[in-house]
Amino acid sequence: EVQLVESGGGLVQPGGSLRLSCVASGFIFSDFDMHWVRQSTGKGLEWVSAADAAGDTYYPESVKGRFTTSRDNSKKSLYLQMKSLRAEDTALYFCARGRAGWFFDLWGRGTLVSVSS
Amino acid sequence: SYDLAQTPSVSVAPGQTASINCSGDKLGDRYVSWYQQKSGQSPVLVIHEDDKRPSGIPERFSGSNSGNTATLTISGTQPMDEGDYYCQAWENSIWIFGGGTKLTVL
Repeated sequence: EVQLVESGGGLVQPGGSLRLSCVASGFIFSDFDMHWVRQSTGKGLEWVSAADAAGDTYYPESVKGRFTTSRDNSKKSLYLQMKSLRAEDTALYFCARGRAGWFFDLWGRGTLVSVSS
Repeated sequence: SYDLAQTPSVSVAPGQTASINCSGDKLGDRYVSWYQQKSGQSPVLVIHEDDKRPSGIPERFSGSNSGNTATLTISGTQPMDEGDYYCQAWENSIWIFGGGTKLTVL
């Protein structure tokens, strides 16, 4: 079955760190760009990071310098290392497969990150 | 930064046509994709690259993009189409989402 499964979410204090993981199955992981997208409760979607098939990474200004994304093709896994977490980072974090450089054609179910004291 | 604007909500009667717009500067020069998100579920791609429909997406979903506006059209809207719809574009290695439109099927 073609799917993405996220894990690693939880409750963390402001200023803390957390590492999210996404395991892929059912497709050749190394052939695809991979992304993290987050959604705060009741809010819209916000792109967080990308790791393309060549291993290059990209971030929006809102997380640049605090979040690091990486991938391990041998484990069919995508990671998001988050540090200096803020209350506004509280969200459901989705792993998504990128296509053609433009869009996302496969989404996981998400893992919830809560930043609170 | 590049912004995409969407009307927060759209209502449509069952069987009628729903149009959901997404606006941005010279949006017609970029590819636009659309995602449907039902309550409590993950987003699902319904249109990519302006007007291409993924396999498994009903033919009643169509898209267009010209000038400053992209439009997702749902013909013969069904109650199961109710949910949030997000447009998305790409610029300079940044992936951008619109704020979303809540579609209510009355």
